[in-house]
Amino acid sequence: GENVEQHPSTLSVQEGDSAVIKCTYSDSASNYFPWYKQELGKRPQLIIDIRSNVGEKKDQRIAVTLNKTAKHFSLHITETQPEDSAVYFCAASPDGGSQGNLIFGKGTKLSVKP
Amino acid sequence: DAMVIQNPRYQVTQFGKPVTLSCSQTLNHNVMYWYQQKSSQAPKLLFHYYDKDFNNEADTPDNFQSRRPNTSFCFLDIRSPGLGDAAMYLCATSRGLGVSRQYFGPGTRLLVL
Repeated sequence: GENVEQHPSTLSVQEGDSAVIKCTYSDSASNYFPWYKQELGKRPQLIIDIRSNVGEKKDQRIAVTLNKTAKHFSLHITETQPEDSAVYFCAASPDGGSQGNLIFGKGTKLSVKP
Repeated sequence: DAMVIQNPRYQVTQFGKPVTLSCSQTLNHNVMYWYQQKSSQAPKLLFHYYDKDFNNEADTPDNFQSRRPNTSFCFLDIRSPGLGDAAMYLCATSRGLGVSRQYFGPGTRLLVL
């Protein structure tokens, strides 16, 4: 089955710096890769997603890149702010999405220091 | 404005006492999911409904059941909660399977005494 690995598990940056979180997946049929932000005690919120026919997607300070050959995808946050502090989860939709499930990475706790 | 609603937000139950968690949605999405999230871990899918079709994950214990009486509502039944079932239970919805975005509810935190 699909396996998603996420690194690093914790990341601390200074306000204004960039943050990069990386994920790898094992199922070459996976075709959908969302990123969720979860603040303490709150719901996971979708912040950006990318489909396998696209290599890069950007939304203001957030961007995601996908390398299908290498089977990895990354989240880039530029000009980080304290309110970016949260746990970020990557996920992959295996089997071409036919099963409907998402396989999540273990999460990255991002701390942005003022 | 709430799109995926979960009740209650906090639930305390006793060891072995059946408990039901509720989820409703105003998005008219076809798919509803139940996830279990334990502290400092990723959400883990228990099962999902595509319309009335129930899909159970292979490693979901028999102790967990679900009902979807209509498009808007989905319930999670835990028949005999154990201490290990204490977790946040998240409901999510999506328009379809695969590349469809999943939207999460606020979750119900379950405590088992």
